[in-house]
Amino acid sequence: QLQLQESGPGLVKPSETLSLTCTVSGGSISSSSYYWGWIRQPPGKGLEWIGSIYYSGSTYYNPSLKSRVTISVDTSKNQFSLKLSSVTAADTAVYYCARQGRRSLGMDVWGQGTTVTVSS
Amino acid sequence: QSVLTQPPSVSAAPGQKVTISCSGSSSNIGNNYVSWYQQLPGTAPKLLIYENNKRPSGIPDRFSGSKSGTSATLGITGLQTGDEADYYCGTWDSSLSVGVFGGGTKLTVL
Repeated sequence: QLQLQESGPGLVKPSETLSLTCTVSGGSISSSSYYWGWIRQPPGKGLEWIGSIYYSGSTYYNPSLKSRVTISVDTSKNQFSLKLSSVTAADTAVYYCARQGRRSLGMDVWGQGTTVTVSS
Repeated sequence: QSVLTQPPSVSAAPGQKVTISCSGSSSNIGNNYVSWYQQLPGTAPKLLIYENNKRPSGIPDRFSGSKSGTSATLGITGLQTGDEADYYCGTWDSSLSVGVFGGGTKLTVL
């Protein structure tokens, strides 16, 4: 079955760029039926949608983060990636990648999540 | 403050029924599909309901979803202690062009 796995540094210094990759296994990222998204959850808080990408490269970003976010896709590696620049302590969170239905926009498959702490 | 409003907590006894509300506006719930997610402690969210009232394969029919106007409701019957979790509603906001979630509701099964 389809699985998603986040990877990347667990500690990032303030003002630097957070970089994460989501590897998709058990299925193709090039499916026309899905977007691929990033969601984060600060400690003890709720979910925040960061953005999503289609396999063609079309992207959709949360306006509150748009100036700092870049999501890209590598279909040859069945991966998509997140870059968040100029991070602060407020960006400390568990970061999830997820598959998102193109029609329903529901996120039906999630990675286990990776904790990223912003600290010097 | 979340665009979608959920009660912070709900509780009920085992075997009973509980509903969790999610209130929004015409730019989000009113004109877009609603999804519901269950997040057990220390785990990733799990999709319970999509397109307002559809259940993914493997989700028991104890879980149901409905939508009316600018509000949506998640219903859980036959409560079990294993249902204790945080529940989130989610949808798209067409005015803000952003995916939005409710603030989450903590379910306690007494």
